[in-house]
Amino acid sequence: KNQVEQSPQSLIILEGKNCTLQCNYTVSPFSNLRWYKQDTGRGPVSLTIMTFSENTKSNGRYTATLDADTKQSSLHITASQLSDSASYICVVSGILTGGGNKLTFGTGTQLKVEL
Amino acid sequence: DAGVIQSPRHEVTEMGQEVTLRCKPISGHDYLFWYRQTMMRGLELLIYFNNNVPIDDSGMPEDRFSAKMPNASFSTLKIQPSEPRDSAVYFCASSPNSFYNEQFFGPGTRLTVL
Repeated sequence: KNQVEQSPQSLIILEGKNCTLQCNYTVSPFSNLRWYKQDTGRGPVSLTIMTFSENTKSNGRYTATLDADTKQSSLHITASQLSDSASYICVVSGILTGGGNKLTFGTGTQLKVEL
Repeated sequence: DAGVIQSPRHEVTEMGQEVTLRCKPISGHDYLFWYRQTMMRGLELLIYFNNNVPIDDSGMPEDRFSAKMPNASFSTLKIQPSEPRDSAVYFCASSPNSFYNEQFFGPGTRLTVL
C-alpha cells in the first residue's frame, strides 16, 4: 500500500533556530515529491518539487533533500521566522500500472515558531 | 492574475440539501484539481481534469459527489444529498501543462453540514 509518513507530527522551535522535517514514503514507482506549506485558513503553497534524479532543491530558507534509494525526504528550514509557523505537507506522485498518476499525501508536520 | 478563485468561502447547510462549490482556475492552466481536507484524513485528491476532461475520479467518495468542468475557466463540485460527514474544507487547484507541475491552490471553501 502506498503511504507517506511525516515526522514529527508537531514541532515548536524558537525564532532564529533551524529545524528539519522528515518524510518517508513507500510509493512505487515514484515520479516526484513535493513539499507544501499551508498557513492556517489558507490553501497549500508549493515550496519544492523534486524528481527521483534530484538530491536537493532550495527555495530561500527552505532546502529539501531526497534519497530515492531509501525513500526518504527532508525539509530543512534555516533561521526560522515567526511566519514559518504553518503545516508542512509532503506529497508523493506515483505512476499507476497502465498509465496515469496517483498522489499520496502525508498528514503534515505542524510547526510553531515562538519568540 | 488573481489566482484560483473559489466560491463561496463558507457554506453552512442542513443534511440532505444540495451543495455546489465553484472554482475558476488560473487562466491558461490545463489541469484542475479538487481536494478535500479534514483533520482526520488530511488532504485528499477527489478528481482532476485535463483540458476540461475528467481524468481520474477515483478519489470521489460516493455517488453523491459529482464534478463538472463545462469550460476552461469554470468547474463545479456538487454534493447531493449532503451529509454531516461531508463537512470539510474543499480546495480547488490548477496547474499548467502537466500533472507534475506546481499546483496553485485556491483559498478553499469551508463546508459545514448540520
